[in-house]
Amino acid sequence: AQSVTQLGSHVSVSEGALVLLRCNYSSSVPPYLFWYVQYPNQGLQLLLKYTTGATLVKGINGFEAEFKKSETSFHLTKPSAHMSDAAEYFCAVSETGGFKTIFGAGTRLFVKA
Amino acid sequence: GAVVSQHPSRVICKSGTSVKIECRSLDFQATTMFWYRQFPKQSLMLMATSNEGSKATYEQGVEKDKFLINHASLTLSTLTVTSAHPEDSSFYICSARVGLGMNTEAFFGQGTRLTVV
Repeated sequence: AQSVTQLGSHVSVSEGALVLLRCNYSSSVPPYLFWYVQYPNQGLQLLLKYTTGATLVKGINGFEAEFKKSETSFHLTKPSAHMSDAAEYFCAVSETGGFKTIFGAGTRLFVKA
Repeated sequence: GAVVSQHPSRVICKSGTSVKIECRSLDFQATTMFWYRQFPKQSLMLMATSNEGSKATYEQGVEKDKFLINHASLTLSTLTVTSAHPEDSSFYICSARVGLGMNTEAFFGQGTRLTVV
């Protein structure tokens, strides 16, 4: 069975500071990994995904994530936080080529002026 | 990217009534759609996988007679919450998967906020 653990339900950073949202996964097969962002009362928007190939993945809005198999991690980073980054972020995993997506509990990012 | 439209975005209903939520893929055909439920400040929990032309596959603990799913066409899946009660109040989100293998991507509807009074 697959699972996702997001460390920290809340993360607070100052505007311009580094954003680091942690995600660890468990999967018995090579996983596909995703990060999604959700704004209040809205659906999810894909930030980036890892399927195969390069382990450092760049996404939208300046976010990137690195797949580290040895650490079973897929942490999300952004060099400089912006006020508009304040939202809920979900890490997700699905089986290679599979359909079902399992979500982590989510991390709410607060950005202070 | 592909667009998934969910309707209505908000609905308030009386306890004991049924509510239907629609999920449409606007510019692509989706043989499989997924229904999620999200409680306040919590993650998305997969409820069921909706397959066009066949019965939905429900996750463990989800009452299939309570949450009726119909996927009658390649662009429409519906979730009907039957005999709704206040504990069914939640945010419901659908998604559809596009592509295969490493090119696969899931697109999500904007969600439906259901309030049962």
